[in-house]
Amino acid sequence: DVKVTQSSRYLVKRTGEKVFLECVQDMDHENMFWYRQDPGLGLRLIYFSYDVKMKEKGDIPEGYSVSREKKERFSLILESASTNQTSMYLCATGALEEKLFFGSGTQLSVL
Amino acid sequence: DQQVKQNSPSLSVQEGRISILNCDYTNSMFDYFLWYKKYPAEGPTFLISISSIKDKNEDGRFTVFLNKSAKHLSLHIVPSQPGDSAVYFCAASVHSNDYKLSFGAGTTVTVRA
Repeated sequence: DVKVTQSSRYLVKRTGEKVFLECVQDMDHENMFWYRQDPGLGLRLIYFSYDVKMKEKGDIPEGYSVSREKKERFSLILESASTNQTSMYLCATGALEEKLFFGSGTQLSVL
Repeated sequence: DQQVKQNSPSLSVQEGRISILNCDYTNSMFDYFLWYKKYPAEGPTFLISISSIKDKNEDGRFTVFLNKSAKHLSLHIVPSQPGDSAVYFCAASVHSNDYKLSFGAGTTVTVRA
């Protein structure tokens, strides 16, 4: 089975801090994705990457950036955390986007 | 603007009965549809999918129906079991596009013993 590991289950940060969320997959998948899940809004795509060094904006990229230096690792960066970025963050990967494999998520609270 | 809508935030059903979850979409370019299931403190897991060339796909207790003219799909779970209690997300994609999934807001299913 594909394993997608997110570095933290829970994070608490202060407004203005720079936040790094890490995601590692153990398969040789090209595609990796970052979503956020909010009540009543479902999952919304922040950024995705088709290959090392490549990144594409999703539906809500504002306030975020990403880094993909190695195929297995995809990092989400909050340059200056704000309270409206309090959310559940989900990393996903897949060889075909029809069947994504998700990590367990990181619940981020920005105070 | 959400292109995939799940208008029922919650559903309660008795064990052994049928659960019917509904999903509507607005983008006529969508041609691939999926359902994901999510337990608390876990990531979503793939449940079942359907291509727009079909109107039904079945996998064990789970059946997805697609009505393209109405831009509507539904997930039937028969019979419902306590382990089915979870949040169910409907998702859609334009197959030939750049592999982005659009998700609905989710429906929380509670199966009562």
